[in-house]
Amino acid sequence: DIQMTQSPSSLSASVGDRVTITCRASQSISSYLNWYQQKPGKAPKLLIYAASSLQSGVPSRFSGSGSGTDFTLTISSLQPEDFATYYCQQSYSTRRAFGQGTKVEIK
Amino acid sequence: QVQLVQSGAEVKKPGSSVKVSCKASGGTFSSYAISWVRQAPGQGLEWMGRIIPILGIANYAQKFQGRVTITADKSTSTAYMELSSLRSEDTAVYYCARERPYYSSSTSYTEIDAFDIWGQGTMVTVSS
Repeated sequence: DIQMTQSPSSLSASVGDRVTITCRASQSISSYLNWYQQKPGKAPKLLIYAASSLQSGVPSRFSGSGSGTDFTLTISSLQPEDFATYYCQQSYSTRRAFGQGTKVEIK
Repeated sequence: QVQLVQSGAEVKKPGSSVKVSCKASGGTFSSYAISWVRQAPGQGLEWMGRIIPILGIANYAQKFQGRVTITADKSTSTAYMELSSLRSEDTAVYYCARERPYYSSSTSYTEIDAFDIWGQGTMVTVSS
């Protein structure tokens, strides 16, 4: 199975900061990479699909990039509602897989 | 708008099985796949397996192979996930999620599936 590794596992940031989260796949997955946001007690929410395409309704401060094995999720100016846990997920293989998550906390 | 409505919380004994349902409300599964994802308390998301209801074809994560069975009833637009030989480590919230196809220039407009609709989650507690 393809393994997905995110870094960092957690980070502290302030409102207005630029935040970058990295996701690495154990083999090339082209651009078959999605990003999700999860808040406590809630189901995950799709933010970005195909590595860089914004899901409808998601604010433009979220962006994604990368292809092959290395991917990045960027929040250009962190807002109070963005404090959450973020997950990458590969759809290259029919055996889907998530990264372990990155928790974004308030500094 | 389709919603996925899951069955209620379960408490099970170690060694037993649990079967969780996921019903599409306000629509049907269409040709989309349904995946099952679990989340142990304080832990991350773990993909368990998926099914394409229109074909009845399922595939599973290696970790759960032999212990999980995912099925679907097209007539009622309901998917099921059954996990056997339960142990305390299986205590988790279990989610179903619809895999919707998207098309993007970054994948040369070939289909990429993403989890766009999620159920509300079902808490399964395994305790003696």
